[in-house]
Amino acid sequence: ETGVTQSPTHLIKTRGQQVTLRCSSQSGHNTVSWYQQALGQGPQFIFQYYREEENGRGNFPPRFSGLQFPNYSSELNVNALELDDSALYLCASSRGPVYGYTFGSGTRLTVV
Amino acid sequence: RKEVEQDPGPFNVPEGATVAFNCTYSNSASQSFFWYRQDCRKEPKLLMSVYSSGNEDGRFTAQLNRASQYISLLIRDSKLSDSATYLCVVLSYGGATNKLIFGTGTLLAVQP
Repeated sequence: ETGVTQSPTHLIKTRGQQVTLRCSSQSGHNTVSWYQQALGQGPQFIFQYYREEENGRGNFPPRFSGLQFPNYSSELNVNALELDDSALYLCASSRGPVYGYTFGSGTRLTVV
Repeated sequence: RKEVEQDPGPFNVPEGATVAFNCTYSNSASQSFFWYRQDCRKEPKLLMSVYSSGNEDGRFTAQLNRASQYISLLIRDSKLSDSATYLCVVLSYGGATNKLIFGTGTLLAVQP
């Protein structure tokens, strides 16, 4: 059983640029969610997709957007990058809320 | 007030000790509860789900008190390998309001 995979693992971007992060969900999982984790903090919920529709969103501005594809993989897009966007971005997938979520190893984004 | 609150620690305990972590949540509509473990610079990994009846997995016992909106994790006979950050996680779902909320985590350091 393939787990959750994320790409790239590390990324450096300049303030004002745009970035796309990718996630392949675990086989059999139809729900994908994204999180931002700053150093020393718990992960912060960005949004969640279920069968290609967004079905939950945290307190992040509209410049954070996403997609889920028919194969349940997903993208996180961030426009107009700010220095505070520097963080570990985690993707997690699930086959249903009560089963918990499996996390990928994350993409570490640095904005300079 | 944060939606999920945990004592950030650190908890420094000797090998073999019993340690308890507590967590409170503010949203009474929360429906699923989990403890995750996160090693330094790694992704969170599901430790166990938490049920109202309480559940045990080896040295780990989790409890949920819905009336008090309180979750606990007990680790018996601590091992060096238990050293990590323990994240309390609460899921509220239904319609367009699915949200997975993490506490900031409690750092455990087991000493030889």
